Amino acid sequence: GENVEQHPSTLSVQEGDSAVIKCTYSDSASNYFPWYKQELGKRPQLIIDIRSNVGEKKDQRIAVTLNKTAKHFSLHITETQPEDSAVYFCAARPIGSNYKLTFGKGTLLTVNP
Amino acid sequence: NAGVTQTPKFQVLKTGQSMTLQCAQDMNHEYMSWYRQDPGMGLRLIHYSVGAGITDQGEVPNGYNVSRSTTEDFPLRLLSAAPSQTSVYFCASSSLAGGRGYSYEQYFGPGTRLTVT
Repeated sequence: GENVEQHPSTLSVQEGDSAVIKCTYSDSASNYFPWYKQELGKRPQLIIDIRSNVGEKKDQRIAVTLNKTAKHFSLHITETQPEDSAVYFCAARPIGSNYKLTFGKGTLLTVNP
Repeated sequence: NAGVTQTPKFQVLKTGQSMTLQCAQDMNHEYMSWYRQDPGMGLRLIHYSVGAGITDQGEVPNGYNVSRSTTEDFPLRLLSAAPSQTSVYFCASSSLAGGRGYSYEQYFGPGTRLTVT
């Protein structure tokens, strides 16, 4: 089955800096890569996703890049703010997996004011 | 729309007890799933369903049963609770058809915090 590795497990940045979280996946048949944000005590919520026919997608301060050859994808947050502090999860879904998402173990992002 | 709802929010069980975690969605989503979240382990899939009457196992199914008699409801049953099942449980749903162009977004419920003593 699919295996998703996520790095780093913790990330601390100063307000205004950029943050980058990286994930690798094992199944070359994966074609859908979402990113979820989970604030403390809350449910995970989708912040951005990308499909395998797209190399990059941007939404205001967040962007995701995908390298299918290397089987990795990354989340980029620019101009970080304290409210960006949360746990971020990447996930991957292979074609024919009956829609099952495999999640990475998460990255705790702390933005220091 | 209430989205995805879960009950109860908190539960304490003794080892060996059984219980059912409830999950319901009002978005007419075909796909529903249960995850458990443990510190440092991410979200691990327990069971999932792609429609009424269809269920399948995920990554960590042992000790749990599910059924899907309607599109809206997807209860998770703990057969004989064990301390290893202490966790936060999330139910999630998504459309298979991908509305508004396409969207495979999984919507999560608020979670159930379960403690087994």
